[in-house]
Amino acid sequence: TQLLEQSPQFLSIQEGENLTVYCNSSSVFSSLQWYRQEPGEGPVLLVTVVTGGEVKKLKRLTFQFGDARKDSSLHITAAQPGDTGLYLCAGPSGSARQLTFGSGTQLTVLP
Amino acid sequence: DSGVTQTPKHLITATGQRVTLRCSPRSGDLSVYWYQQSLDQGLQFLIQYYNGEERAKGNILERFSAQQFPDLHSELNLSSLELGDSALYFCASSVGSTNTGELFFGEGSRLTVL
Repeated sequence: TQLLEQSPQFLSIQEGENLTVYCNSSSVFSSLQWYRQEPGEGPVLLVTVVTGGEVKKLKRLTFQFGDARKDSSLHITAAQPGDTGLYLCAGPSGSARQLTFGSGTQLTVLP
Repeated sequence: DSGVTQTPKHLITATGQRVTLRCSPRSGDLSVYWYQQSLDQGLQFLIQYYNGEERAKGNILERFSAQQFPDLHSELNLSSLELGDSALYFCASSVGSTNTGELFFGEGSRLTVL
């Protein structure tokens, strides 16, 4: 069982559509991060959310941290092919607070 | 370019063999992390070093070992390789010793065990 569950696992949409992906846990996190990974590359940090209920915007991407700090969502408006990639949420866990990643959502935006 | 360099990018070897993966962190970063990414397990934390000392251990097999050298580069040694060890191995670095900040990932080393 993953500490961070992401859904959906796969998402394929047409350019211009909106979408939301989710990151859920039964545990409370002090913060959550979202990364995007493109083929042949390592994950790249998009945003860190720290406060329950926090909303952060990055151009067409909107990130929200749940009020109870157990979940987060990523909403993309008017998706573009360049948004294609694996979206990973991650949070510190364990005795040494190592960054634990969710299983990811593989997004494909078709032109 | 994240500033983290990993070599080799691709490696093909046979079961039972031993390989060494190398990582140079971003300039100024003291922490190095190793992650394994496979299709069925996702991105799994293996081990972290901070300024030469082991800081945290994750799901790292006993057949695997790592170290961080005085110049802060790190090596991950994988021995008695099995088919299931085939995966992408990522190195990441950060400035501090905790994981609340950003991790900068290299491009990964793709290991194929035949």
